[in-house]
Amino acid sequence: QSVLTQPPSVSGAPGQTVAISCTGGGPNIGAGFDVHWYQQIPGTAPKLLIYGHNNRPSGVPARFSGSKSGTSASLAIAGLQAEDEADYYCQSFDSSLSDVVFGGGTKLTVL
Amino acid sequence: QLQLQESGPGLVKPSETLSLICSVTGGSITNRNYYWAWFRQPPGKGLEWIGSIYNTGSTYYRPSLKSRVTLSVDTSKNQFSLKVRSVTAADTAAYYCARHCRGSTTWYEGFMDVWGQGTTVAVSS
Repeated sequence: QSVLTQPPSVSGAPGQTVAISCTGGGPNIGAGFDVHWYQQIPGTAPKLLIYGHNNRPSGVPARFSGSKSGTSASLAIAGLQAEDEADYYCQSFDSSLSDVVFGGGTKLTVL
Repeated sequence: QLQLQESGPGLVKPSETLSLICSVTGGSITNRNYYWAWFRQPPGKGLEWIGSIYNTGSTYYRPSLKSRVTLSVDTSKNQFSLKVRSVTAADTAAYYCARHCRGSTTWYEGFMDVWGQGTTVAVSS
């Protein structure tokens, strides 16, 4: 059971926009701690997509954006492409657990 | 360009100690802007943070693993390492090292911007 809750799967057709939610609570996202997002293609290492709610590292397309409100955060992917098919994870910090916490991951399928 | 590479045995016996090294190239582990971290991912499951270490040796660990884990740093070799004692089958996972950047206000909420390719460790007799 992950501290941060993500939907197990989402899907969309090429060109569409999808959103992946990350729901936490008072000791983590709700406490104002940063939320970060990673993309992981199965069998490979995670790749940083978004840091500090909505900052993109160099090389990450502007199609990827993040947002945060209250105890939840969201990753939006616009203009879906086949190469976006991967697992996506949110990450934050939980002050009650003193632990770096992840969501359980969301598998994105491009139809 | 910074690169990280994990190395170590792919098979460890139950009750023994798992030892991995992360070699850093293309940058210095003594850069004071970063911690250095270990993560793992059991087969078919999500990511789990293990702990992070600064170049001075300052560490912080996942509370549930703290009693079995030790991180260390060797600045002369530009490496940092992980030891997990008394392993069981539950420690079977892909292990990743990563560069840990400071978050908006604290290191605890930081993010990992560069990752090693990972190494698979199985615990089995």
